[in-house]
Amino acid sequence: KQEVTQIPAALSVPEGENLVLNCSFTDSAIYNLQWFRQDPGKGLTSLLLIQSSQREQTSGRLNASLDKSSGRSTLYIAASQPGDSATYLCAVRDSSYKLIFGSGTRLLVRP
Amino acid sequence: GAGVSQSPSNKVTEKGKDVELRCDPISGHTALYWYRQSLGQGLEFLIYFQGNSAPDKSGLPSDRFSAERTGGSVSTLTIQRTQQEDSAVYLCASSLVAGITDTQYFGPGTRLTVL
Repeated sequence: KQEVTQIPAALSVPEGENLVLNCSFTDSAIYNLQWFRQDPGKGLTSLLLIQSSQREQTSGRLNASLDKSSGRSTLYIAASQPGDSATYLCAVRDSSYKLIFGSGTRLLVRP
Repeated sequence: GAGVSQSPSNKVTEKGKDVELRCDPISGHTALYWYRQSLGQGLEFLIYFQGNSAPDKSGLPSDRFSAERTGGSVSTLTIQRTQQEDSAVYLCASSLVAGITDTQYFGPGTRLTVL
């Protein structure tokens, strides 16, 4: 059974700092991995999707990497801003089209 | 264009009552998913619809839960005889197709509280 783990559970950093969020999964037989952002009381916003054949994806200040063989992904946020404060969720898609989510990392960027 | 919408945004009900949650997917999206987000459980898959195919109900926690999708568009998730453990945020998502390259777009969710 696929399990997705995110470390750390919570993170507080000063504005401007670069940071890394970690995601690990137990079964490397995935189709893709997606990083989402969730703001309080809101739904999920897709940030980056990495196909199983890809190593990384970039969007603005965000960079996500995928090492499928070791079951790891990282989300790198450059020059963090208070507006980046949210919960970041990692999810893997298996062959049944379901997304299996980690428990998330709550990020607070202090002004 | 319009995103995924869900209604109601909040629902408070008494234990034992039935509730219906609605999801309007993005126009043209053939795949629709329901997830549940509860404290201590994280986000878990409930059910998914793809076109006219039989839905994948493998994530439904009990037979009190059911869902339908009419006309390949709007979906309703029904919970019968609600229990306190059903309290959670119910999220709906849609994607253009249920393929390996698609992105799921999520609605804002319905927060269900069972008293």
